[in-house]
Amino acid sequence: QVRLVQSGSEVRKPGASVKVSCKTSGYIFGDYGLAWVRQAPGQGLQWMGWISGYNSRTTYAQNFQGRVTMDTDTSTSTAYLELRSLRSDDTAVYFCARAFPIATAGSFDYWGQGTLVTVSS
Amino acid sequence: DIQMTQAPSSLSASVGDRVTITCQASQDITYYLNWYQQKPGKAPKLLIYDASKLATEVPSRFSGSGSGTDFSFTISSLQPEDFATYYCQQYDSPRALTFGGGTKVDIK
Repeated sequence: QVRLVQSGSEVRKPGASVKVSCKTSGYIFGDYGLAWVRQAPGQGLQWMGWISGYNSRTTYAQNFQGRVTMDTDTSTSTAYLELRSLRSDDTAVYFCARAFPIATAGSFDYWGQGTLVTVSS
Repeated sequence: DIQMTQAPSSLSASVGDRVTITCQASQDITYYLNWYQQKPGKAPKLLIYDASKLATEVPSRFSGSGSGTDFSFTISSLQPEDFATYYCQQYDSPRALTFGGGTKVDIK
């Protein structure tokens, strides 16, 4: 079965960086994209961008350009999200999600369990 | 970015009720719209994609319709496990996917 398993909770100080992992299994990694979506406490969902499992091409939301890097390790079918220059309003649960179709990655059919990132001094 | 306006933001309903949620896009998105269900502390779950297609293993009481700028999502007979928050999401603009603000469905 398809599974996405994310790394555990993180606490960071303002200005620091965080890297979250998302290990996938149960499907051909290169046939799908991998998107990242975050949710601040009590708030809605915010798309951050996606990376192709086929060629590692990335598309980032404009709000995060310059602060975010997404990459993959195809040998372990794992995707990574790095967010830099953290601020208190980056406190959120970060989700990875399998994205289809591969060309546009607009729909998310399987999700990780979420990783809470807390930014606090 | 394309703005997605969901209505209502919350509603109270009883088991067996028919529930409809609407989502309006700020510009034409053809049929590039999905619906998700999210329960507290859990990841979202895809229910409807391409405006009206039922995702895998999703019960047939869920349905979606619409095109262009106006879309709707219906639960034909609300079940106890359906109390949750529902989000629409557009993907017409592949570099700027956006979600609606959500509709919380709770027990009357």
